[in-house]
Amino acid sequence: AQKVTQAQTEISVVEKEDVTLDCVYETRDTTYYLFWYKQPPSGELVFLIRRNSFDEQNEISGRYSWNFQKSTSSFNFTITASQVVDSAVYFCALSEASEDFGNEKLTFGTGTRLTIIP
Amino acid sequence: GAVVSQHPSWVICKSGTSVKIECRSLDFQATTMFWYRQFPKQSLMLMATSNEGSKATYEQGVEKDKFLINHASLTLSTLTVTSAHPEDSSFYICSAAGQQETQYFGPGTRLLVL
Repeated sequence: AQKVTQAQTEISVVEKEDVTLDCVYETRDTTYYLFWYKQPPSGELVFLIRRNSFDEQNEISGRYSWNFQKSTSSFNFTITASQVVDSAVYFCALSEASEDFGNEKLTFGTGTRLTIIP
Repeated sequence: GAVVSQHPSWVICKSGTSVKIECRSLDFQATTMFWYRQFPKQSLMLMATSNEGSKATYEQGVEKDKFLINHASLTLSTLTVTSAHPEDSSFYICSAAGQQETQYFGPGTRLLVL
């Protein structure tokens, strides 16, 4: 069975600080996908990234960066120079790989509520 | 990214009534749609997976007779909560998947059963 653990339930940082959200996963699959989603107070989930298990390169997108460590089954997310608009709940998710690209069932972590203090 | 809509965004109903929630993919054809439920301050739990033109596949513990799912076209899926009770009050979110890199989520529907 697949499992995603986000041990940090709530984090608060002062604006402009860097913050890292942790994600640890469990799966028996050799090929899988990892995701991060942002859920602002409005409720809509915003897709941030999808990472294939074979691609261990770290990724940077603006102020966002992701560190995938297969050896420790972790896929951590760092926000640099945080802003108030980053305040949201962030979910890490895992899916098995399938031939139906994009149609895989997602297993979500419990989420981390991030508050950026002005 | 692709756009998925849900209607209604808010619904309040009396206990015992049925509520229908629509999920539409606006700019792509969704071969698969997923329905999730999220209780306050909790994670999203997958309820069922529906493929266009076939019966939905329900997750363990989800009552198929209570949560009726119809996926009649490549752009529309509906979830009907039958004989709703207060414990069904939740945030219901759909997602739609075509051939993109990920599912795209709707804005969610908040259901309050009195």
